[in-house]
Amino acid sequence: AQSVTQLDSHVSVSEGTPVLLRCNYSSSYSPSLFWYVQHPNKGLQLLLKYTSAATLVKGINGFEAEFKKSETSFHLTKPSAHMSDAAEYFCVVSLGGTSYGKLTFGQGTILTVHP
Amino acid sequence: SQTIHQWPATLVQPVGSPLSLECTVEGTSNPNLYWYRQAAGRGLQLLFYSVGIGQISSEVPQNLSASRPQDRQFILSSKKLLLSDSGFYLCAWSVRLYPSPLHFGNGTRLTVT
Repeated sequence: AQSVTQLDSHVSVSEGTPVLLRCNYSSSYSPSLFWYVQHPNKGLQLLLKYTSAATLVKGINGFEAEFKKSETSFHLTKPSAHMSDAAEYFCVVSLGGTSYGKLTFGQGTILTVHP
Repeated sequence: SQTIHQWPATLVQPVGSPLSLECTVEGTSNPNLYWYRQAAGRGLQLLFYSVGIGQISSEVPQNLSASRPQDRQFILSSKKLLLSDSGFYLCAWSVRLYPSPLHFGNGTRLTVT
């Protein structure tokens, strides 16, 4: 079985300060991991993906995430928050084996950015 | 490049009325297609997925159904809506190869009154 836990339901930062959104996963196999962002009343946009290549993954809009197998973590970071980063973020784990990879979504972390 | 279109963006329907939400994908062939629902305060719930025309798998029992009449068209339907069907419905596609991320449409906000 696989699962994903986003450790914070809400994170609040000031503009220009670093962002850390935490994600832990549980998987019996070597997983693929994704981070998505969702702005209000919009679909989810892929930020970045880890697929067993480099453990430090760079994504769009200055975000990056590091896969740490020993800690079963895949935390999302950004050095300097921008007002436009305010949104909800989802950590997602996927197992392979078939052409349909079952995805498990975390419950989401709402990021608020203060001026 | 690939694009996904989902409509309508918002919909208000009375209890007991039918539902039809449509999703189309452009710029790719033989995609996997998905319908998700996002209820307020809850995560994403996979409703249906399809790996080909006429091939539909249901993840949860409910009064919704899905159909794939064409390779890049995915339809979510109901004969009689319930209040509990309210939510944000998202269509998504992926390529067949693993690991492939999902690419989402902009969603439909359904309110059943």
